[in-house]
Amino acid sequence: NAGVTQTPKFQVLKTGQSMTLQCAQDMNHNSMYWYRQDPGMGLRLIYYSASEGTTDKGEVPNGYNVSRLNKREFSLRLESAAPSQTSVYFCASSFQGIQPQHFGDGTRLSIL
Amino acid sequence: ELKVEQNPLFLSMQEGKNYTIYCNYSTTSDRLYWYRQDPGKSLESLFVLLSNGAVKQEGRLMASLDTKARLSTLHITAAVHDLSATYFCAVENQFYFGTGTSLTVIP
Repeated sequence: NAGVTQTPKFQVLKTGQSMTLQCAQDMNHNSMYWYRQDPGMGLRLIYYSASEGTTDKGEVPNGYNVSRLNKREFSLRLESAAPSQTSVYFCASSFQGIQPQHFGDGTRLSIL
Repeated sequence: ELKVEQNPLFLSMQEGKNYTIYCNYSTTSDRLYWYRQDPGKSLESLFVLLSNGAVKQEGRLMASLDTKARLSTLHITAAVHDLSATYFCAVENQFYFGTGTSLTVIP
């Protein structure tokens, strides 16, 4: 089925460990986004990529890096995980870089 | 600093009743988006409001936009339990989401 696929769905890390969250979309969308959602809060933009080859910081980029590998894939990396990064991470995409239209199912990340 | 404020934050209403959720934003924008999120699930795009005065309706939900007042509303008509969810508004080009309104419809 067409959509946005995130892996993994769940992950537990220890403080200081690194990991990469993967995201892929098969709708030929130009723009992709990474958000985090904390309990009782809305979504906050971490990074976005308006088109292949470009990335820009969002509201809360510190502690994260991203790679727009190709048009389909947009990964989010935590180099040295901290407990404050415990959250649910959503990847999203849209045809043009206006506002995300399609969201993945989320990655629930806990950092101990 | 951009602010996107929704109210109420929590809403408990009986089936069959009507209610309105409000979304106020602090920057100039011609477009506004509404999303729905079920507990533990991802977000689903509900409405895209593209200009001042835009009105969109889907079933028991109707969204409107007043860009001059920087206000969007999501009106619920004759609520049913299936509408229980959290509703978010978002302002275009800023990628900012509102804090969300958690709606519970009680039988």
